[in-house]
Amino acid sequence: GQNIDQPTEMTATEGAIVQINCTYQTSGFNGLFWYQQHAGEAPTFLSYNVLDGLEEKGRFSSFLSRSKGYSYLLLKELQMKDSASYLCAVRDSNYQLIWGAGTKLIIKP
Amino acid sequence: DTAVSQTPKYLVTQMGNDKSIKCEQNLGHDTMYWYKQDSKKFLKIMFSYNNKELIINETVPNRFSPKSPDKAHLNLHINSLELGDSAVYFCASSRLEVLAGGVGDEQFFGPGTRLTVL
Repeated sequence: GQNIDQPTEMTATEGAIVQINCTYQTSGFNGLFWYQQHAGEAPTFLSYNVLDGLEEKGRFSSFLSRSKGYSYLLLKELQMKDSASYLCAVRDSNYQLIWGAGTKLIIKP
Repeated sequence: DTAVSQTPKYLVTQMGNDKSIKCEQNLGHDTMYWYKQDSKKFLKIMFSYNNKELIINETVPNRFSPKSPDKAHLNLHINSLELGDSAVYFCASSRLEVLAGGVGDEQFFGPGTRLTVL
């Protein structure tokens, strides 16, 4: 079967750095996405990786290792508004998106 | 100028009823999706649809049916509602399901419809 694993919940301090991990086992791989979802709102796109390495976008970076079936989302200079769920999703060999259950990130002052 | 819109935002109904949720996108996208997000926040794909193909998640009961009058709309019809159908339903769209070279193509989500079945 296909599986995406993420921690259920993480807590971090305002101004700090946090890394949210995602491991996946899918039938084929055609890219990995990270989405942010604030409580009661729709998911919004954050980043996309298809090749190994780090993609940086302002305070957010996403890393991919295809050989390890592993990705992480790195959030720097955390702000209170970063409190949200972060969803990892992998596109499989049929180009279907397989979603993780999301990681709820709690930021404390 | 909302990109992906859904109506209604909230829907409360009795078990056994039939209901519809409407979705419209003005992004000119070719592919639209319906997702169900349950109380555990797990996002499950129900359908993806472009002008060529409807892909159905085989775990979705046939009480659920998508209807697409045109490329910009994908409505969700639900017959004989059950208590377990209570969830938030999200519509989404993207340019193409597959782009040449495997370039990423993010999905744009509507605001969601919170369905409560009593």
